[in-house]
Formats: sequence, C-alpha cells, structure tokens
Amino acid sequence: GAGVSQTPSNKVTEKGKYVELRCDPISGHTALYWYRQSLGQGPEFLIYFQGTGAADDSGLPNDRFFAVRPEGSVSTLKIQRTERGDSAVYLCASSSSGSYNEQFFGPGTRLTVL
Amino acid sequence: AQSVTQLGSHVSVSEGALVLLRCNYSSSVPPYLFWYVQYPNQGLQLLLKYTSAATLVKGINGFEAEFKKSETSFHLTKPSAHMSDAAEYFCAVRRSGGSYIPTFGRGTSLIVHP
Repeated sequence: GAGVSQTPSNKVTEKGKYVELRCDPISGHTALYWYRQSLGQGPEFLIYFQGTGAADDSGLPNDRFFAVRPEGSVSTLKIQRTERGDSAVYLCASSSSGSYNEQFFGPGTRLTVL
Repeated sequence: AQSVTQLGSHVSVSEGALVLLRCNYSSSVPPYLFWYVQYPNQGLQLLLKYTSAATLVKGINGFEAEFKKSETSFHLTKPSAHMSDAAEYFCAVRRSGGSYIPTFGRGTSLIVHP
C-alpha cells in the first residue's frame, strides 16, 4: 500500500530563493504534520494540520515559513528567502483522525541552501 | 516544558547481545512517551508508546520499554540484537498543549557488530 510520499527527495537552492516542499499523506488520513530534522538532531515539530486547517503552527520558526493544505490532502511547506540555516531534512507525517493516532512518516526532503 | 534526554549518541553491541538505549524525560504533566526507529534513507517508524496503562510496553521487532516514574526513565531494551537492528533510535515525549505530537530527543545510533 502507498505510504507517505514527499517530493522532491533532494532540493538544492541558493540563499535568498523561495522553495516549496510537497507531502502526499496516506489516503484518508486527516491529520498531517511537518517536522524539520537538522544534522545530528531529532525531528523538530513545525506544524500540524487537522483537515484543511492548521491546528497548531507553534513550531514554525519565523514568518518565512508557511504551510498549506487547501483540500485536506496534499500539503506544501513553503520557505521564503531561504537561509543557510534552513538546510535540513524536512519530514512529513500523517495519521488518521487526530494526533493520538500513530503517525506514519515519509522519507523526507533534504534541503540544502548554498 | 516537556523534554527527553537520550544518554549516549552511539551505542555499540555485538550480535546476540542485550540492547539497552537510555532515555530520561522531563514533563510537567503525566507523560506520554514514544520510541521511534529510523533506518537509513527511510522515515521514522513507531516502535512503541506508553500512554499511562501498563508500565512495561512491548513493541515491534522484539523491543520493549519500561516506564519508571521514580527514575523519570523510559529505557528501550531488546534481549538479543540482530544486524538488522542497526539504525537511529529516538525517544520522544508528548508536547504540552493538548495534542499528542512528540518532542524528540537527539537520537542514539545503534551499531551492531557481527
């Protein structure tokens, strides 16, 4: 069966550019999460969607980061004016109906900002 | 705030030996605790979770963890290591704020020698 997929798997960009990272959750999962994993660290929570709305965006580090999920399925994480410190693996996860249920993770997008 | 500390960034064992990965937590509310495994180039996978029921939690792949409130610990064990257990292991505690989103530790890399 299809798991969580993320595209692209790798993204290299230059400082100051805009990037979009895509997440396709497991079909039927209403909850979707974004995390950032820097080298040598555990994943760090960014934002949690329940359906189309952001239920918790307290992990977004600043206003350069934004995420959408317009139809309650695919989500896009958008980063404006990228900085070298944004380089990390961005992980997406989904779960059925709420955060109590097990999250299933995608393989991540490795973002490198030169 | 909720947090976890994983003792030892690397643990090395021989195949067939006991695996012990240490995790201590800090939580201002009754904790929900998790262990995740991350194989190279794959997403995180939930091994087990403690949600205030039995203190000894059994997970997948022969792993188990014991919740000890007096020691604020949730160590992960497996009686006999397999080569396939080599991976990164993350302990996590439920975030504050009413959701069940995990806050991850920095991870422990398990190395299994033949």
